[in-house]
Amino acid sequence: AQSVTQPDIHITVSEGASLELRCNYSYGATPYLFWYVQSPGQGLQLLLKYFSGDTLVQGIKGFEAEFKRSQSSFNLRKPSVHWSDAAEYFCAVGASQGGSEKLVFGKGTKLTVNP
Amino acid sequence: DTEVTQTPKHLVMGMTNKKSLKCEQHMGHRAMYWYKQKAKKPPELMFVYSYEKLSINESVPSRFSPECPNSSLLNLHLHALQPEDSALYLCASSQAPRRTDTQYFGPGTRLTVL
Repeated sequence: AQSVTQPDIHITVSEGASLELRCNYSYGATPYLFWYVQSPGQGLQLLLKYFSGDTLVQGIKGFEAEFKRSQSSFNLRKPSVHWSDAAEYFCAVGASQGGSEKLVFGKGTKLTVNP
Repeated sequence: DTEVTQTPKHLVMGMTNKKSLKCEQHMGHRAMYWYKQKAKKPPELMFVYSYEKLSINESVPSRFSPECPNSSLLNLHLHALQPEDSALYLCASSQAPRRTDTQYFGPGTRLTVL
């Protein structure tokens, strides 16, 4: 079955520090991968997505992610974190399950940014 | 414009009430979704409408009744809910119900059932 694992439930970084959020997926076919961000009480906003081609994907707000097929990973990175980046981050894979196509989400990583 | 709007933002209802949540998009998308999200959890898919027809029902209790009156509008009718149904209800839309299509989410309706 398709699944997404985000190993870190909660990460704390200092403002200005670099950030890497981990995501591992399990999917037999070509994965279609997404990173979403959710501020408290808000909806999800797409940061970036990977379908094919260049394995380093640039997104909004200075985020990037690298697809590594050999490691089944799609980690999200940012070189310098801002206080406004504090939020919940969800990795997801577009999957086929039971004849239906849907998003399968990881459990999320909460990011706290210290001043 | 990649906006999905949802009304109301907040809703408090008793267990005997009937209420509705509304979702709208004007991106020409033909797939629309309802998700339920509990605190500190990822969104859980409830329903998918594809070209205005219900295509997925993730075994949701019948006290939740979705409706898609046209390609831009999605409703979720609520009746006889339980306190455990309190959650953030998110609507999303995509060009089509394919795993390759990006889903755009609305801001959600925070529902409290007393």
